[in-house]
Amino acid sequence: DVKVTQSSRYLVKRTGEKVFLECVQDMDHENMFWYRQDPGLGLRLIYFSYDVKMKEKGDIPEGYSVSREKKERFSLILESASTNQTSMYLCASSGITGGFWYGYTFGSGTRLTVV
Amino acid sequence: QKEVEQNSGPLSVPEGAIASLNCTYSDRVSQSFFWYRQYSGKSPELIMSIYSNGDKEDGRFTAQLNKASQYVSLLIRDSQPSDSATYLCAVISGSSGGGADGLTFGKGTHLIIQP
Repeated sequence: DVKVTQSSRYLVKRTGEKVFLECVQDMDHENMFWYRQDPGLGLRLIYFSYDVKMKEKGDIPEGYSVSREKKERFSLILESASTNQTSMYLCASSGITGGFWYGYTFGSGTRLTVV
Repeated sequence: QKEVEQNSGPLSVPEGAIASLNCTYSDRVSQSFFWYRQYSGKSPELIMSIYSNGDKEDGRFTAQLNKASQYVSLLIRDSQPSDSATYLCAVISGSSGGGADGLTFGKGTHLIIQP
């Protein structure tokens, strides 16, 4: 089974701190994604990457950056954490087979609280 | 703007009955369709994928796709209390695959199976 591992299940950080969320997948997938999920707003795409050192902005990239130095690892960086970034953060990866993209595999999520 | 619409619910179904979950999407070139189950506080889990018109069955789950009507559904037979969760519909556009745009998610339908 594909595994997507997020480094922390729960995090509490202070306003203004720089925060790193790490994600590693073990299936050699090309694509990796970072989402945040908030009640009533659903899943919102922050950034994605379809290759090493490549990154694309999603729907809500403001206040975030990403890094993908190796194919298996995709990091989300909150440059200066703010209370409105308190959320559940979900990493996902996906690949292609037979010409069809198959569904994402999600990590277990990181619940970040900024105080 | 690609959209995926679901009724937020809650949808209440008695144990043992058939639960029917519906989803419509706006992008006519969409080619890949997925259903995710998400328990409270957990990450989404892929339960069904469907790529062509018609029905696809997997155990108690049946996914139905009608591209002409831009409609996807999920049927859960012999509903169990453990099926109580939020079900997310997700769509990949055929024009860009899973790389450039990724999955577009609906906001989910909250399903409650009453014992």
